[in-house]
Amino acid sequence: AAGVIQSPRHLIKEKRETATLKCYPIPRHDTVYWYQQGPGQDPQFLISFYEKMQSDKGSIPDRFSAQQFSDYHSELNMSSLELGDSALYFCASSLESVFGSQETQYFGPGTRLLVL
Amino acid sequence: KQEVTQIPAALSVPEGENLVLNCSFTDSAIYNLQWFRQDPGKGLTSLLLIQSSQREQTSGRLNASLDKSSGRSTLYIAASQPGDSATYLCAAQNSGGSNYKLTFGKGTLLTVNP
Repeated sequence: AAGVIQSPRHLIKEKRETATLKCYPIPRHDTVYWYQQGPGQDPQFLISFYEKMQSDKGSIPDRFSAQQFSDYHSELNMSSLELGDSALYFCASSLESVFGSQETQYFGPGTRLLVL
Repeated sequence: KQEVTQIPAALSVPEGENLVLNCSFTDSAIYNLQWFRQDPGKGLTSLLLIQSSQREQTSGRLNASLDKSSGRSTLYIAASQPGDSATYLCAAQNSGGSNYKLTFGKGTLLTVNP
């Protein structure tokens, strides 16, 4: 079965540079979530999209932006990178049920970002 | 705001022992609760998901229970093996509106010694 795809898997950037992370949800899934996991930390929710509209926002810095495209893939854009942005970034996708609730979130393998 | 706590933070057991990992959450209005396994530097592997209407779920040597009223979930691992060594995370998914994000605990680092 197809899973959530994230690219790139690893990324090294310098401070103040820009990074773009991509997420391709499971086919027919309409919701995408982004999480950030710092070293030794638990994953923290950043932002989510449902049907190409932002549905919820967590502790996402103003330097970050994200969107979901017509094919449901999502991109997380990170500008003016700081050392503290070094983390594992997970994308998860889900499908809204017929009852209007969200089903299980399936996680991608993550993108490991290292800011030097 | 949902808060998830996991106890203990770390656990070391000899091979073959049965063990219990604990998870508590502050907001009982959850949609489901999920247990994950994470190996060092790796992604999240979903182990068990318990819907709010369920009391427990089982998969092989793993059994997860959920008590919404007390805000607690436990993950029981039977006959532990060295390959079970990993960090185990629980995550609560809240219901209502558009708020379906997962709130994670900080995890329990399990070491099973041969």
